Amino acid sequence: DAGVIQSPRHEVTEMGQEVTLRCKPISGHDYLFWYRQTMMRGLELLIYFNNNVPIDDSGMPEDRFSAKMPNASFSTLKIQPSEPRDSAVYFCASSPTLRDSGRAGYNEQFFGPGTRLTVL
Amino acid sequence: RKEVEQDPGPFNVPEGATVAFNCTYSNSASQSFFWYRQDCRKEPKLLMSVYSSGNEDGRFTAQLNRASQYISLLIRDSKLSDSATYLCKSGNQFYFGTGTSLTVIP
Repeated sequence: DAGVIQSPRHEVTEMGQEVTLRCKPISGHDYLFWYRQTMMRGLELLIYFNNNVPIDDSGMPEDRFSAKMPNASFSTLKIQPSEPRDSAVYFCASSPTLRDSGRAGYNEQFFGPGTRLTVL
Repeated sequence: RKEVEQDPGPFNVPEGATVAFNCTYSNSASQSFFWYRQDCRKEPKLLMSVYSSGNEDGRFTAQLNRASQYISLLIRDSKLSDSATYLCKSGNQFYFGTGTSLTVIP
């Protein structure tokens, strides 16, 4: 079974250009997450969706960043305009809803391979 | 926002050594925790989950100390292949620690 799929795997662009990152979560997973990872700041949560609805976007750095999830099998993260400080690895992850009410907390998150973004 | 805090290391240990990492958390209501492993230039993958006092899987032991609000990961008989970054996460949040880097030296 395919895991989380992300595209492109690598993206090199120039400052000011629009960048669109894509993600296909694991079928049946209710949660979708976008993370950004840099050496300085580690793995940062940008936004997450539950059943295609954005729940918490407080991690989105600024208005240049936007994310959508038009259906259960696809999500995009867009940066417009891009800046050199946006250079990072962007991970998409998905997670099933916890069904066992006897256990608090959320389930394992499954990560995609990431998109390595370089803005020149 | 720092829900979990980790010592970034790096930890450099000889092969066969025992090494332990700690991760402190701020939300006392958290009831489950996770350790993820991330290899260089790869995505994080779940290593172990902790729902009560602890969990053991082969050479790996994860323990939870609610009184002091930290979880630990103990690796016994370290292998070269254990070299990676280890990330902790509180179960009811989606924020990861910054990760602890481990290098096992021959």
